[in-house]
Parts: sequence; C-alpha cells; structure tokens
Amino acid sequence: EAGVAQSPRYKIIEKRQSVAFWCNPISGHATLYWYQQILGQGPKLLIQFQNNGVVDDSQLPKDRFSAERLKGVDSTLKIQPAKLEDSAVYLCASSLDLSTVSTQYFGPGTRLTVL
Amino acid sequence: DAKTTQPTSMDCAEGRAANLPCNHSTISGNEYVYWYRQIHSQGPQYIIHGLKNNETNEMASLIITEDRKSSTLILPHATLRDTAVYYCIVSVTGTASKLTFGTGTRLQVTL
Repeated sequence: EAGVAQSPRYKIIEKRQSVAFWCNPISGHATLYWYQQILGQGPKLLIQFQNNGVVDDSQLPKDRFSAERLKGVDSTLKIQPAKLEDSAVYLCASSLDLSTVSTQYFGPGTRLTVL
Repeated sequence: DAKTTQPTSMDCAEGRAANLPCNHSTISGNEYVYWYRQIHSQGPQYIIHGLKNNETNEMASLIITEDRKSSTLILPHATLRDTAVYYCIVSVTGTASKLTFGTGTRLQVTL
C-alpha cells in the first residue's frame, strides 16, 4: 500500500513570495491533515479535511495560508506571501475517517526555507 | 485535551529495553494515551495506544498506571533504528479526536 505522498520535498523562497505544497493521501482515506513543524517543536495542526470539507482550520493563519481539497482526494496548501517565520516542515497526514483521527499516517514532509 | 510531560532526552544501549515515561496527571476518563515517534527527516509514525489496560503490539508495549496519571512506553530490544523523538499524546477517540504534539523525548540508542 502506497503511503502519503508529498511534493516538493524541499523549497527555498524569498520572503513575500508565494509557495504551494501538494499532498496525495493514502487511497481511500477520507480525512486529511496539514501540520506545520518548526525546528525543535512537535507538529502543529493547521487544517483538517473530511473529504472535501473543512473540519478544523482554527490554527490556520488565514491571512496568508490557504488550503483546498476540491475533489476530496489530493490537497494543496498555499502560503502567500511568505514570511521568515514560515520556515518549517509542512507535514501532510491522512486517516481512514473521522472515527480513526487518532491513527494518522504521515508523509515525509516538505521543508520550506524562507530567506 | 490533557497535557503531557516527558523527559527531554534519554539514552539506551542497543539490545536493551528502552522505557520512556510520560506523565498525564489531568487525563480525563474518556481520553486515550497515544504514542507516536518521529525518526529524523521523516513524518511521525503511530506506535500504540491504550485506555486503561496494558497494550502490546509488534513495535512496543504500553503500561498505564492504575490511576492513569502516567504511562510508560517500552521498546523491548532497542536498535539503532529506534533512535527518534517519541511523543506521548492524550486524546479522546472518534470525531472529537485531535493529536496535539508536545516536544517529546529524544531517544538516542547507542552501540
């Protein structure tokens, strides 16, 4: 069974530029999550989708971050414009459905460096 | 969700058991204890979870105290590949579940 796929693995941009990350969850997984992990900290949930609907986006900085999962499968997370403090690893995870939120499968992450 | 307290770092000799403690003194009756680990440059990986009873799977054992205020993750025969950050998380299950990661315990397995 293929795991959670993410791309790109690494991205370097200048501040005020925009960037997008892509995630393809495990086949059949209805719930998808985006996390931000700053160096030395644990992952922090940014947004959670159930199929193509948002379940929780309370910690998403909506003035600059946006995410979509239009067809309920893969998802894109965008930052526009980026700030220095956005430098982090962005992790995507999926779970079978809302009843198994606690058992999540994570992708390898995208390491973003904002200069 | 209840908060957890874990040691910042621990060392373990290869082949020996690694015992990782976690305090969760404010855990509620319907909250489970979950353990994840994160190997360098990878995403977190689910290990095990439990409510009251001790649990064991192919990766580890989870021992939860009777008052549920603390737990211990046991890796019975640690290998170098077990070097990782281990996160203890308490959460309800089902639709209200949310994984809130702390800073975890950095386990270093040495020869």
